[in-house]
Amino acid sequence: SAVISQKPSRDICQRGTSLTIQCQVDSQVTMMFWYRQQPGQSLTLIATANQGSEATYESGFVIDKFPISRPNLTFSTLTVSNLSPEDSSIYLCSVGGESSKANYGYTFGSGTRLTVV
Amino acid sequence: GENVEQHPSTLSVQEGDSAVIKCTYSDSASNYFPWYKQELGKRPQLIIDIRSNVGEKKDQRIAVTLNKTAKHFSLHITETQPEDSAVYFCAASPQGTSYGKLTFGQGTILTVHP
Repeated sequence: SAVISQKPSRDICQRGTSLTIQCQVDSQVTMMFWYRQQPGQSLTLIATANQGSEATYESGFVIDKFPISRPNLTFSTLTVSNLSPEDSSIYLCSVGGESSKANYGYTFGSGTRLTVV
Repeated sequence: GENVEQHPSTLSVQEGDSAVIKCTYSDSASNYFPWYKQELGKRPQLIIDIRSNVGEKKDQRIAVTLNKTAKHFSLHITETQPEDSAVYFCAASPQGTSYGKLTFGQGTILTVHP
């Protein structure tokens, strides 16, 4: 499966600021996703990062708050903008559909633990 | 969209016993069903998955069964060990020529007592 490097692993940010999270994959992958995991909760999909076009956002998530870039098939960023304490969460990138392998699995990055103060 | 319900939310067993976690899904287009194990402070790790053309899949002490007609699938862990203690998530996805998004269940906290 793909190896994902996600950074930063954690950050403490002031309210009103923004945090950009990076996800780098060691092979070209078809699909990249961004999830949020609030404390003690399940994973909620924020958006699908589309290479060369705008991300596809899930209900309740908007581009102004969570802008996403995906310049190529191995890299994506998620920005969490205008931070408030409610944004304190773990953010995870995920990939699936490796183009070089017949692999139907989805792999997760190590996550970014964001605390907003 | 897809909705995945997972039960129970917590499960406590004695070492050596079996554990069963059940999930139901709503979207008949879903055809890929993975299970993830998440230990405290770590990323979810895929432990087993099943596609809709298969009714059961087994990997050592772990098995998954799928009933597409009833839209439910289950995770079975036999001979549980303390290291099986973790949060388990089921998920569902439509997969055709491209990879669909995963929708997760709410999670089950499994505790295996020595």
